[in-house]
Amino acid sequence: AQSVAQPEDQVNVAEGNPLTVKCTYSVSGNPYLFWYVQYPNRGLQFLLKYITGDNLVKGSYGFEAEFNKSQTSFHLKKPSALVSDSALYFCAVRSPLGGGNKLTFGTGTQLKVEL
Amino acid sequence: AAGVIQSPRHLIKEKRETATLKCYPIPRHDTVYWYQQGPGQDPQFLISFYEKMQSDKGSIPDRFSAQQFSDYHSELNMSSLELGDSALYFCASRIRGGMNTEAFFGQGTRLTVV
Repeated sequence: AQSVAQPEDQVNVAEGNPLTVKCTYSVSGNPYLFWYVQYPNRGLQFLLKYITGDNLVKGSYGFEAEFNKSQTSFHLKKPSALVSDSALYFCAVRSPLGGGNKLTFGTGTQLKVEL
Repeated sequence: AAGVIQSPRHLIKEKRETATLKCYPIPRHDTVYWYQQGPGQDPQFLISFYEKMQSDKGSIPDRFSAQQFSDYHSELNMSSLELGDSALYFCASRIRGGMNTEAFFGQGTRLTVV
């Protein structure tokens, strides 16, 4: 079975400061990892993914994520947060082994960026 | 660019009624997923289809059924609705060609059962 943990329900950060949203995963075999963002009453928007290669992945809107195999983590980061980044962020995993084709999501982290 | 289209966007039904949700994937996407997101919850996988065949099944109640048609659109049929079925229902699509392709989500259908 595959699973994702997002240990923080909410992250607060001041605009202009760096942000980190944490994610750890559990899968059989090599993981395919994704970050999605959800604004109120909207669908999930794809931010970035890790499949293979460089551990640091760059995505949309200045976000990046670092894959750490030894710590089974895939934390989302941004060097300088914007108020408009305030949203709900989901980490997700897909594994070719035993997880089928589906994405399994974490419980989400609400990011609040304040002036 | 074309996105995943879901209809209707909002639906209000009474208990024990039926509902049909529709999903039109991005052109050339051959895989469709359905997810249910309750208030304050993460999206829960219901069912998926690849090339019109069911490819994976999650926590979909027996009262629900789904299919993918020849034009790749998909419909989620929900019968004997219960209050607990009130949720946001998302459809996502992707090209299955490789495990590394990401899924794109529609705006969702908000179902309210009263």
